Amino acid sequence: QSALTQPASVSGSPGQSITISCTGTSSDVGDYKYVSWYQQHPDKAPRLMIYDVTNRPSGISNRFSGSKSGNTASLTISGLQAEDEADYYCSSYTTKTILFGPGTKVTVL
Amino acid sequence: EVQLVQPGAEVKKPGESLRISCKGSGYRFTTYWITWVRQMPGKGLEWMGRIDPSDSYTIYSPSFQGHVSISTDKSTTTAYLQWSSLTASDTAMYFCARQSCTSSSCYFDFWGQGTLVTVSS
Repeated sequence: QSALTQPASVSGSPGQSITISCTGTSSDVGDYKYVSWYQQHPDKAPRLMIYDVTNRPSGISNRFSGSKSGNTASLTISGLQAEDEADYYCSSYTTKTILFGPGTKVTVL
Repeated sequence: EVQLVQPGAEVKKPGESLRISCKGSGYRFTTYWITWVRQMPGKGLEWMGRIDPSDSYTIYSPSFQGHVSISTDKSTTTAYLQWSSLTASDTAMYFCARQSCTSSSCYFDFWGQGTLVTVSS
């Protein structure tokens, strides 16, 4: 069982915005700025979408944004598109180890 | 272009040993850590451990400590994940990833395509 919690699923219609939460503790999400988010399409490798809470790697659409408040980090996808349908995982650094959330399945209605 | 190349699949019997590889190219191999991630069928990502190729310093997740071994060969810019005795519960997809960590930043920016390990009698 993951030490980070995420909703199992989130859905939205094309063009809408959705937010995925990632809740940890004061020892991981709350204590470090090293929260990252990964997108995984079926049978594909994960892809970095957000790093260090709010930063987007080169090539990632600005429709993806990250934030954090206390022990909860969030990924927001605005202007939802069919290609955004995938699993999303948050990750947090904690002392000498890395935690992944259980993943959230995003469905575009 | 940064690439991490893994073999596509391995099929083994219980009790057999296995070493899977992850060859890095397109960057200075000793500058970034390599991490290994397990994904069991239909499940989420699990961090197994990471290695610093510059000095082979390795940290394992408590969940995998003692069950797997991570190593690198700087001369061939390749990282390895090894089992001495496989069980059916090791059946999973295994990803390697480049881990970029500094005092102010930490994330996995490039991933291999994964190696599907199947352990079956």
